[in-house]
Amino acid sequence: GDSVTQMEGPVTLSEEAFLTINCTYTATGYPSLFWYVQYPGEGLQLLLKATKADDKGSNKGFEATYRKETTSFHLEKGSVQVSDSAVYFCALASSGAGSYQLTFGKGTKLSVIP
Amino acid sequence: DAGITQSPRHKVTETGTPVTLRCHQTENHRYMYWYRQDPGHGLRLIHYSYGVKDTDKGEVSDGYSVSRSKTEDFLLTLESATSSQTSVYFCAISSLAGGTDTQYFGPGTRLTVL
Repeated sequence: GDSVTQMEGPVTLSEEAFLTINCTYTATGYPSLFWYVQYPGEGLQLLLKATKADDKGSNKGFEATYRKETTSFHLEKGSVQVSDSAVYFCALASSGAGSYQLTFGKGTKLSVIP
Repeated sequence: DAGITQSPRHKVTETGTPVTLRCHQTENHRYMYWYRQDPGHGLRLIHYSYGVKDTDKGEVSDGYSVSRSKTEDFLLTLESATSSQTSVYFCAISSLAGGTDTQYFGPGTRLTVL
């Protein structure tokens, strides 16, 4: 079945450091790929998405490129801020019986220190 | 933000008691989902609905049932709660309008089974 593997955390960075969170996937067909972010005590928010190979999703300074040849969707940000501290989830959407279903990675907790 | 509310937001109950969680949406989206979030597991799909009275099982459906009698409400029931069902439960919605498969999440319900 479909699966998502993302780097285990926690990840601790200093403010203004470069961030990479690796995500690879296994799926049949051509799934859409997502990054969701969860701030403490809150639900998940969509951060960015890409729907086909070589698409780049971007939002709030975060970027991720859909690489079909390496089945990857790594999340990057050039300069992190304390406010980026959160848990980040990589996910893919696959079609099922009458719906799309999301398969999530286990999440990577990011802490940014001043 | 998508109009999704969950109730209750917190609940403590005892083993063997029935529990019902409610998800309410104001977006008129066709698809609704229930996930549970546990440390080290990310989010896992419990059940989903693709229309009124149309539901199907997800990855971790044992011990849970759902009902959807109208578009805006999706109920998750634990017939006889067990300690292994202590978790944070998230509802999500999607429309698939225009082919988009993005899901939007509610704020979550923290359930503790003693």
